[in-house]
Formats: sequence, C-alpha cells, structure tokens
Amino acid sequence: DSGVTQTPKHLITATGQRVTLRCSPRSGDLSVYWYQQSLDQGLQFLIQYYNGEERAKGNILERFSAQQFPDLHSELNLSSLELGDSALYFCASGATPGLAGVEQYFGPGTRLTVT
Amino acid sequence: AQKVTQAQTEISVVEKEDVTLDCVYETRDTTYYLFWYKQPPSGELVFLIRRNSFDEQNEISGRYSWNFQKSTSSFNFTITASQVVDSAVYFCALSAVNTGTASKLTFGTGTRLQVTL
Repeated sequence: DSGVTQTPKHLITATGQRVTLRCSPRSGDLSVYWYQQSLDQGLQFLIQYYNGEERAKGNILERFSAQQFPDLHSELNLSSLELGDSALYFCASGATPGLAGVEQYFGPGTRLTVT
Repeated sequence: AQKVTQAQTEISVVEKEDVTLDCVYETRDTTYYLFWYKQPPSGELVFLIRRNSFDEQNEISGRYSWNFQKSTSSFNFTITASQVVDSAVYFCALSAVNTGTASKLTFGTGTRLQVTL
C-alpha cells in the first residue's frame, strides 16, 4: 500500500459527460501528480500540483483540469468525454516539488470507461 | 526532449531463469534520475528503484539488480531466479532537472514479463 488513495476505483460514463477523479496524497507529501495510462499512448504525465499551486503541465487536454485543495487532496476533472478518454488515471504523490529525483508513489488508479 | 525506450514488449521465461529487462534513455540534461516501476496484474504501480546520473554503481536488492551505464545510456534490470510472482509489466522512467518540469516522469512503453512454472 503506497499510502496514496484514489476514488472511485472504476467509473463508467457516456460520451459528452463530465467526471471528477479524486486523490489524497501520502501523509506529509505536498506534491500531487496525475498520469494517464492508455493502450495507445502508454503512461503519460498530465499535470503536477504542489501545495495548491500548479507546477508543471504535460499532455493535458483543454477539456481536462485539475486542482489541489488546502487539505492537499486533488481532483482531476474530465469534461466533454470522448471514447478515447477511456484509460487508467493514476495519481502519485511526492515530497518535494522541483527535485527530479523525488520518488513518486502511485495510487491504485481510477479506471475510466467512456461508452 | 526526453525519451525512454524499452524495446522488449514481452518476455516469457520459466521459473528460476534469470531475465534482463532493457532500458535505453535519451536526455540532454547532465543531471537526471532513472527509475523502475512494477505494475502487477492488479494494476497499481510499485516503485522499485531510483538512480541518479552521477552514480553508476550497480545495485542489488535481493533477486533484483540494476546495471546503469552512462556510456550506452542504459539502465537495465535483471531478475535472478525468477518467480511466478515476478509476472508483471515493468516500466523504466526518466526524470531530468532543468527542464521546467523537473518532477515529471517520462515512462517507457513497458515490458511485460511472464514467468511460468
């Protein structure tokens, strides 16, 4: 158990809908990272937050947004969903924002299926 | 740009065989970190090891060992005396300093290891 929690574990929704994925980092970690794992794109970095502020952005679509709240949990919002958004979404947490060597501990993931 | 290549898509071995998973990386940064993660059938990503670019010492942890060679930009992972529980997808990843997104991990495509009895 990494100490990172993600809810829900599975989500099935229809095209055009909007969903929110939730992540709670390990106790003491201030950084939260979101990754998407899909069959065609592999594991891709989406976005990083540190102590409530966005720190880095990767291949995140404009239809997607995220935020980190004062209690450090984070939410990833996916809107106008398309079939291609079906994927496993991982949240990871780490201790320090800008250190490249920080270990990232991953949550169990949320499997999103868009029908 | 950073890139991680895991050329082996799938490897099948019989239990007790040794197996090496290859990882080749590309980065222009002189300071960077390399990682290996394991993704068992249950789906979670499990951290295995981190190595920084200034430390080329090989590392051994039980049946696992890692060989880092800067000259060939490789960070290979060997499992000795493989077991069925080692069956998983293994990902190599890279994180480089001074990219503006220093903390992000760039993953390879993964190698699926199947260990059978």
